[in-house]
Amino acid sequence: QVQLVESGGGVVQPGGSLRLSCSTSGFIFSIFGMHWVRQAPGKGLEWVASIRYDGSNKYYADSVKGRFTISRDNSANTLSLHMNSLRAEDTAVYYCARDLEDIVVMVYASTIAFWGQGTLVTVSS
Amino acid sequence: DIVMTQSPDSLAVSLGETATINCKSSQSVVYSSNNKNYLAWYQHKPGQPPKLLIYWASTRESGVPDRFIGSGSGTDFTLTISSLQAEDVAVYYCHQSYSSLYSFGQGTKLEIK
Repeated sequence: QVQLVESGGGVVQPGGSLRLSCSTSGFIFSIFGMHWVRQAPGKGLEWVASIRYDGSNKYYADSVKGRFTISRDNSANTLSLHMNSLRAEDTAVYYCARDLEDIVVMVYASTIAFWGQGTLVTVSS
Repeated sequence: DIVMTQSPDSLAVSLGETATINCKSSQSVVYSSNNKNYLAWYQHKPGQPPKLLIYWASTRESGVPDRFIGSGSGTDFTLTISSLQAEDVAVYYCHQSYSSLYSFGQGTKLEIK
């Protein structure tokens, strides 16, 4: 079955950097779009970034653009999120997520269907 | 960017009754070539990842009880939960994937009256 396991969360000082990873299994990673979504304490879900199946296109929320970089290694079935210049407002549980449809089936776009358990990032001095 | 607005922010419904959650997008999320609404609904319980309930506005995900019904098109959508059960207590989110810049509604907290 589809498994998404995030790692790399922790406590970091404001202005610091952190790299999140998402190890995947149970599906052909290289044909699915992938995403990062976060939830700050007491807040709702916020989409962070997306990457196409082949890494050709990447999209970012305005709140993280220029500071975060999404990437993927299709040979290692791994998704990453490099976070720089971290701020207190980046404190959140970060979820790795997968598209519902693969690139073969998808028409125009897909939607988020599968989620990892999340990893907590705390930005604090 | 497409802004998703849910109403109400919270609601309390008696067991066995029907809960209705609305979602409005700031622009249409219908792709004209396939007439699909790129609108999904998620259920989120504390300590768990969100769970996909409905996609393409009205298609129920496998394993989701038929008490959960999605409807609407264009910019206005509704999630209806009939015969409310205690296990339905959660926060519900709508989500658009029409734009490459995804967005979620602010969430609706559903409680038992």
